[in-house]
Amino acid sequence: QVQLQQWGAGLLKPSETLSLTCAVYGGSFSGYYWNWIRQPPGKGLEWIGEINQSGSTNYTPSLKSRVTISVDTSKNQFSLKLSSVTAADTAVYYCARRLGSNPWDIWGQGTMITVSS
Amino acid sequence: EIVLTQSPGTLSLSPGERATLSCRASQSVSSGYLAWYQQKPGQAPRLLISGASSRATGIPDRFSGSGSGTDFTLTISRLEPEDFAVYYCQQYGSSPWTFGQGTKVEIK
Repeated sequence: QVQLQQWGAGLLKPSETLSLTCAVYGGSFSGYYWNWIRQPPGKGLEWIGEINQSGSTNYTPSLKSRVTISVDTSKNQFSLKLSSVTAADTAVYYCARRLGSNPWDIWGQGTMITVSS
Repeated sequence: EIVLTQSPGTLSLSPGERATLSCRASQSVSSGYLAWYQQKPGQAPRLLISGASSRATGIPDRFSGSGSGTDFTLTISRLEPEDFAVYYCQQYGSSPWTFGQGTKVEIK
């Protein structure tokens, strides 16, 4: 059974860089797109970006200038970095996978990130 | 960017009743690449429907999806207590992938 386990620092100050990692357990890493999605408190879902095993990335335009998603195939892990965070970046961040032209079928448990001075 | 608008914002129903949720896209969703997710408090979203009408693995048949182009519907034929949650539609046919704002199904 495939599981995504994510971790990262939960409290940041404005202007710092958010860093999260997601590990894939119990399944193949290849052939999938590995995604990050976020959800501000009490609000809806926002797709951030994705990467495949080859390192090809796709980001949402509104965050593209601040986002970097990378992959470590030797560890079956992928990571998110979001620079210059503000309070508007406070959210639960999820990792998730999708296969080809399919939606997100497996999700991580979510990590609450709070940006506060 | 495709904007998805869900209606209603909140649906107040009793167990056993039928729920009909709507998702309208600002432009045609490519190849019917429209998904529905269920989210309960403190949990990650769970995939219910892909390709507008195909149930995901393990999803009960009281959940059904329909629609094409710009208008899509999620129907829950008879609400069970565990179905009270927030439901999101999402399009994955045209990047950036986008979500609707959600419909909350609450107990009346």
